[in-house]
Amino acid sequence: SQQGEEDPQALSIQEGENATMNCSYKTSINNLQWYRQNSGRGLVHLILIRSNEREKHSGRLRVTLDTSKKSSSLLITASRAADTASYFCATGGGNKLTFGTGTQLKVEL
Amino acid sequence: GAVVSQHPSRVICKSGTSVKIECRSLDFQATTMFWYRQFPKKSLMLMATSNEGSKATYEQGVEKDKFLINHASLTLSTLTVTSAHPEDSSFYICSAQQSGGLGNSPLHFGNGTRLTVT
Repeated sequence: SQQGEEDPQALSIQEGENATMNCSYKTSINNLQWYRQNSGRGLVHLILIRSNEREKHSGRLRVTLDTSKKSSSLLITASRAADTASYFCATGGGNKLTFGTGTQLKVEL
Repeated sequence: GAVVSQHPSRVICKSGTSVKIECRSLDFQATTMFWYRQFPKKSLMLMATSNEGSKATYEQGVEKDKFLINHASLTLSTLTVTSAHPEDSSFYICSAQQSGGLGNSPLHFGNGTRLTVT
């Protein structure tokens, strides 16, 4: 079974709007990562947040982590058409990651 | 930055034949590489962990005789799908972490291989 469940499964927004994706997980974690996947391609690492962190920023990305609720959110501000992709959260110890089910984001012009 | 090259990007083969997929770390050494399988619009499923110089570790439910993994050097791991059948059609992705990196270091992914078995 998937460690992470993401919500929503699909999201369609207009360029310039913000996109928020949520991830819930089941077991205790040391950190949580977010990855992006363009259609038919590999994954690209976006950001890692440690279990003792509550919020982290990277450019237009903002990630929050609530370990009490076992959930994380990824916010993309001022979205662009180029942000269209699938986004996955991932948890796991060491190198072995378990990926969530993913959110398919479509940013329309 | 760290680059992982996966080849081929797309392959079509006939049922019963074998297909080899290569995963190379181009500018770093990777003691460990990972092989995933992804169904359309689904998440990645870890198939096996490839260890340089030793046997791969397979996840539960993955047939090791069906999916042969060889990690002969610190920059190359191969996945061979033996006696492929249409149900093996999928998107296969490899990833690698730089040797000596921290446990929290991100994984670097190849661009995947789309396998279609006819």
